[in-house]
Amino acid sequence: ETGVTQTPRHLVMGMTNKKSLKCEQHLGHNAMYWYKQSAKKPLELMFVYNFKEQTENNSVPSRFSPECPNSSHLFLHLHTLQPEDSALYLCASSLGGANTGELFFGEGSRLTVL
Amino acid sequence: AQSVTQLGSHVSVSEGALVLLRCNYSSSVPPYLFWYVQYPNQGLQLLLKYTSAATLVKGINGFEAEFKKSETSFHLTKPSAHMSDAAEYFCAVSSNTGNQFYFGTGTSLTVIP
Repeated sequence: ETGVTQTPRHLVMGMTNKKSLKCEQHLGHNAMYWYKQSAKKPLELMFVYNFKEQTENNSVPSRFSPECPNSSHLFLHLHTLQPEDSALYLCASSLGGANTGELFFGEGSRLTVL
Repeated sequence: AQSVTQLGSHVSVSEGALVLLRCNYSSSVPPYLFWYVQYPNQGLQLLLKYTSAATLVKGINGFEAEFKKSETSFHLTKPSAHMSDAAEYFCAVSSNTGNQFYFGTGTSLTVIP
């Protein structure tokens, strides 16, 4: 139990589908993150939310749409994805605010786009 | 600006041998430094962190790292490799403000029986 739970762990979708990834943290943190991890590429920061406000959007295509309804939950809505979007999507959380601390990661959602 | 460089994308050691994974950083402010480990099909797990206290940091699973400001390095070591250490290792730096973390490209560790 990492304290950060991601669902689903595996997702296969067509390019015209709409799906969502969910992340929930039970650590009382105030910052949440989405990272994309592709084979043989560095970890890519996608979005950061701090106290429910988006503070970072790292030039992510609009087919990825984040939602943070509260400090414990983070979603990544997916629509009209491309095969190159297939990757492991990692959610993380940290203390946030003036004392970021370290990142705590979920186990990831493995996305395959057909 | 902050960045991390991990020298060697693949490292192989024999079981029982010393493990040395290299990390160099650049930071315009006093850094916070981290090593994470990732096993196949899992997320990243914190091994250890440096937060401006002792320069020699001990982590889980027998790993340790030493912060050397003069060399801008934070290399990860373990005296004796175990088969279960085979994984991907990531070095990361942050300034502990602004929620910005910068990761290296990772080093894949193989342990040979």
